[in-house]
Amino acid sequence: AQSVSQHNHHVILSEAASLELGCNYSYGGTVNLFWYVQYPGQHLQLLLKYFSGDPLVKGIKGFEAEFIKSKFSFNLRKPSVQWSDTAEYFCAVSNTGGFKTIFGAGTRLFVKA
Amino acid sequence: SQTIHQWPATLVQPVGSPLSLECTVEGTSNPNLYWYRQAAGRGLQLLFYSVGIGQISSEVPQNLSASRPQDRQFILSSKKLLLSDSGFYLCAWSVIGLSSGEQYFGPGTRLTVT
Repeated sequence: AQSVSQHNHHVILSEAASLELGCNYSYGGTVNLFWYVQYPGQHLQLLLKYFSGDPLVKGIKGFEAEFIKSKFSFNLRKPSVQWSDTAEYFCAVSNTGGFKTIFGAGTRLFVKA
Repeated sequence: SQTIHQWPATLVQPVGSPLSLECTVEGTSNPNLYWYRQAAGRGLQLLFYSVGIGQISSEVPQNLSASRPQDRQFILSSKKLLLSDSGFYLCAWSVIGLSSGEQYFGPGTRLTVT
């Protein structure tokens, strides 16, 4: 069955700490991978995506993610978090074209100032 | 630039009543359109998607239906709401034919069935 597993539901960090959010997926065929973010009071928005090429992708606000095909993983990282990174983060996987996108349960990140 | 609208923002409806949620997209033509339900701690569940007017694909059997009467309008409906229909409903669009498939989300509708 197709699924996306996010390892942590809640993460609390202090400013300047490093962040890594785990994401593993089960999905047949060629996949596109995404991290979306929902800041408090805002729409869900794209943080970064992978669909081909370099497996290390960089997104907005200093975030990056690495696609490791052999591990079916797409972990999100940021070397030094800021209070403004407090948000809910969703990993997602889709087929080519994005019709059948499967989302993970989300990780709520709280960054202490 | 493209924008996506959803209304209403919040809705409280009794069990057994009908439902109509509307989503419209501006600034693009022939988008793919999607309806999701977001439940706390469970991520987003894809309910319906549409690749064109009148073309609806249902992902999960349920008490809901969707229609696309115009190119940039997507409607989520129910004839009789159940308590289990409560949730946060998100509409999204994506560029048709774009292989990367990222989606753009609306502000959502919070539905409470009482």
